[in-house]
Amino acid sequence: QVTLRESGPALLRPTQTLTLTCSFSGFSLSSSGMCVSWIRQSPGKAPEWLAVIDWDDEKYYRTSLMTRLTISKDTSKNQVVLTMTSMDPVDTATYYCVRTIYSQSRYSYFDTWGQGALVTVSS
Amino acid sequence: QSVLTQPPSVSAAPGQKVIISCSGSRSTIGHNYVSWYQQFPGTAPKLLIYDNDKRPSGIPDRFSGSKSGTSATLGITGLQTGDEADYYCVTWESSLSIFGGGTKLTVL
Repeated sequence: QVTLRESGPALLRPTQTLTLTCSFSGFSLSSSGMCVSWIRQSPGKAPEWLAVIDWDDEKYYRTSLMTRLTISKDTSKNQVVLTMTSMDPVDTATYYCVRTIYSQSRYSYFDTWGQGALVTVSS
Repeated sequence: QSVLTQPPSVSAAPGQKVIISCSGSRSTIGHNYVSWYQQFPGTAPKLLIYDNDKRPSGIPDRFSGSKSGTSATLGITGLQTGDEADYYCVTWESSLSIFGGGTKLTVL
């Protein structure tokens, strides 16, 4: 059974850096085709993909946020970490860690989602 | 990043069929797989359709997906009140993922 769980601060002040950890089980991020994405969703809005890291340590970032985002993995610990700098109230959202499948030479779909972690940015 | 366009809302009566559209471009839907997700309030999205028209294990065959050119559709037959939710299409462009704006389904 594949599970993912997000952990991190619930409240941040503006300008601070967000560090979120995704702890997962049921798959290995060293197996071909396995990837993990971070996706966020602001209240009342559509989800917004942020970043992906794959089994080969390839990383891709949302264009508008790429200067603020860093994604990394620790395969031995089954963890993926996302950092986002210069947090602002508009970054208030639920942040999801999501297993992402790469098939037929392309990123394909999000098959298992974590429960999400609500992050509020407020002074 | 490019845009995927969905109707903000659709509605139909129980037992009826509804189609949700997702419009993209040649570089998005035209050259990549489309997946669809269902989301109830306060919960994470759930995968309904992947690789344009495949259903994960456990998803009823009332849900179907198709893709033609630069557009994709999600079909739901035999509507149930429990299908009331938000539905999102997703694809990729140059290894960057794109979500549609979402469609709220109301079962009257």
